[in-house]
Amino acid sequence: DTAVSQTPKYLVTQMGNDKSIKCEQNLGHDTMYWYKQDSKKFLKIMFSYNNKELIINETVPNRFSPKSPDKAHLNLHINSLELGDSAVYFCASSQGVRGTEAFFGQGTRLTVV
Amino acid sequence: TQLLEQSPQFLSIQEGENLTVYCNSSSVFSSLQWYRQEPGEGPVLLVTVVTGGEVKKLKRLTFQFGDARKDSSLHITAAQTGDTGLYLCAGESGGGADGLTFGKGTHLIIQP
Repeated sequence: DTAVSQTPKYLVTQMGNDKSIKCEQNLGHDTMYWYKQDSKKFLKIMFSYNNKELIINETVPNRFSPKSPDKAHLNLHINSLELGDSAVYFCASSQGVRGTEAFFGQGTRLTVV
Repeated sequence: TQLLEQSPQFLSIQEGENLTVYCNSSSVFSSLQWYRQEPGEGPVLLVTVVTGGEVKKLKRLTFQFGDARKDSSLHITAAQTGDTGLYLCAGESGGGADGLTFGKGTHLIIQP
C-alpha cells in the first residue's frame, strides 16, 4: 500500500486554466504538507495543515488554495495557472512532532504551456 | 527566513573514494534530517539528528549534527555506484507541524 499517494503524476495544461492535485495518506498522520520543487531541485514548503487546520502558508500566491476535507486528504487547487507555476509539487505527511519523518508522495509534474 | 546552505551542489567521484556533504546555517534548528531523492520519486528519509553533537551511522554513511545545532554533515566512506542520487538536508525550526526548510541539494555521481 502506498503511504502517501497523489494524483495525477503528470499534468500538462494551458495558461489561465484551473487545476487540482489530490493527495491522500494512509499513515494516520495529523499533519500534511505541500512542497514545490523547482527545475533546480530546490524544495520549498508551501502549506502545512494540522488536523485539517492551516498552520503554515509560505508567501504563496492566493491563486493556490489548499483544501483538507479530512485528516487523510489535502488537495491543492490552482487558479489561473501561469508559466512560472511549472514545477513538481509534492504532498507529504508526518506526525507533526519534532524529529519525526516526513513521508513524501511521488510528486505531480505540472507543466503550464 | 531560515536558510540552509548545502555544499557541494555537484560532486562526481570514483567508486571507493570518500566524500563529505555539508549543510550550514546561521539559524538554530530543533532537528536536522537528511533525505535522498531518486529521479521521479519523492525524498526518502535517511536519518534524523536532534541533539547537538550527535553522530549517527548508517552502514557506510555517517551523519553529524553540529554542537550549536546550526550545521550538519554527511560522510560516505568507500562510495559505491548505488550511492548515486540527490541528497537533501532539511531543518526543522519548530515543533514539527511547521514543515521542513530544505538545502538546495547535492547531486552525487559515483563513477565505476
